[in-house]
Amino acid sequence: AQSVTQPDIHITVSEGASLELRCNYSYGATPYLFWYVQSPGQGLQLLLKYFSGDTLVQGIKGFEAEFKRSQSSFNLRKPSVHWSDAAEYFCAVTGGSYIPTFGRGTSLIVHP
Amino acid sequence: DAGVIQSPRHEVTEMGQEVTLRCKPISGHDYLFWYRQTMMRGLELLIYFNNNVPIDDSGMPEDRFSAKMPNASFSTLKIQPSEPRDSAVYFCASSLGRTGGLGEKLFFGSGTQLSVL
Repeated sequence: AQSVTQPDIHITVSEGASLELRCNYSYGATPYLFWYVQSPGQGLQLLLKYFSGDTLVQGIKGFEAEFKRSQSSFNLRKPSVHWSDAAEYFCAVTGGSYIPTFGRGTSLIVHP
Repeated sequence: DAGVIQSPRHEVTEMGQEVTLRCKPISGHDYLFWYRQTMMRGLELLIYFNNNVPIDDSGMPEDRFSAKMPNASFSTLKIQPSEPRDSAVYFCASSLGRTGGLGEKLFFGSGTQLSVL
């Protein structure tokens, strides 16, 4: 069975600082990996996804993520955070069932 | 495209009452998912449908929960009788084909905030 771990429940950064949100997955074969963002009172919106090919994936809103098979990781990054990036971020993995399993989420707090 | 539409946005009810949550998926999407989000357990998949047929309901917590999809444009999640521990945000999501297979992503509704007193 597939699983996802997001080790950080909360992350606090200053506006303009760089950001990295961690995601580790467990799946025996090559996974399909996703990052979603949830703004307050809203549903989840896809930021980016990895299926194959280039391990560095570009997404919307200036986000990127890198798939590292050796570390079973798919960390989300952004070089300069904006106050509007404050939200809940979810990593998800699909395996053989093609049904996504979500991590517990990381809450991003942005200080001015 | 109006996106996935859920109703109501908020529901407050008393323990023992029946609760019905509604979802209208994006037209043309053939997969529909019901998720529950709580602080304690995060985002849990309750059930999903393919072409209106329930495929996996192993995430439904107990017999008090039931879900139907009578046609391609409508689904309901019912809790009868409701209990305080059912309080959560319930999300409906739809997709065109299996996520990961052809690059489809899940499109989420805005959720229903359920409070059972």
